[in-house]
Amino acid sequence: KQEVTQIPAALSVPEGENLVLNCSFTDSAIYNLQWFRQDPGKGLTSLLLIQSSQREQTSGRLNASLDKSSGRSTLYIAASQPGDSATYLCAVTQAGTALIFGKGTTLSVSS
Amino acid sequence: EPEVTQTPSHQVTQMGQEVILRCVPISNHLYFYWYRQILGQKVEFLVSFYNNEISEKSEIFDDQFSVERPDGSNFTLKIRSTKLEDSAMYFCASSAGQGVIANEKLFFGSGTQLSVL
Repeated sequence: KQEVTQIPAALSVPEGENLVLNCSFTDSAIYNLQWFRQDPGKGLTSLLLIQSSQREQTSGRLNASLDKSSGRSTLYIAASQPGDSATYLCAVTQAGTALIFGKGTTLSVSS
Repeated sequence: EPEVTQTPSHQVTQMGQEVILRCVPISNHLYFYWYRQILGQKVEFLVSFYNNEISEKSEIFDDQFSVERPDGSNFTLKIRSTKLEDSAMYFCASSAGQGVIANEKLFFGSGTQLSVL
């Protein structure tokens, strides 16, 4: 059974710092991996989707990488801002329509 | 920008009562989903729906749960006889094309917080 783990569970950084969030999954047979942002009391917003054949995806200050064989993905956030404070979730798709989520990393960026 | 709309934002019900959670997916999307998140736990898949039928369901989605697309715009989740453990945030989502397996992003609503007393 696929398990998705995110480390650390929480992270506090000062504004301007570059940071890396980690996601690992136990079964490398995935179709894709998505990174989501969740704000308190709100839904999830898809940030980046990496297909299984891809190594990375970039959107603005965000860069996500995927190493399928080792079951790892990282989300790199450059020059962090207070507005980046949120919970970041990763999720994988296997042979079906369901996303399997990690528990998330709660990021706090102080000004 | 198109968005997924969920109503109500909060629902309080007594154990054993029926509840219907409502969602309006993005208009040109073809796949619809329900997920839930119990406080402090992971987001969990419940069910996916395509072409007016269930495409996939999880072990959580037992006979107490049902989904329906009663018209061209709404997508509902019904819980027939609520239990205390059904208390959670319920998220509706939709995707275009052939769904997540075809590398389509999921678009989530803001959720309905269900509290069963």
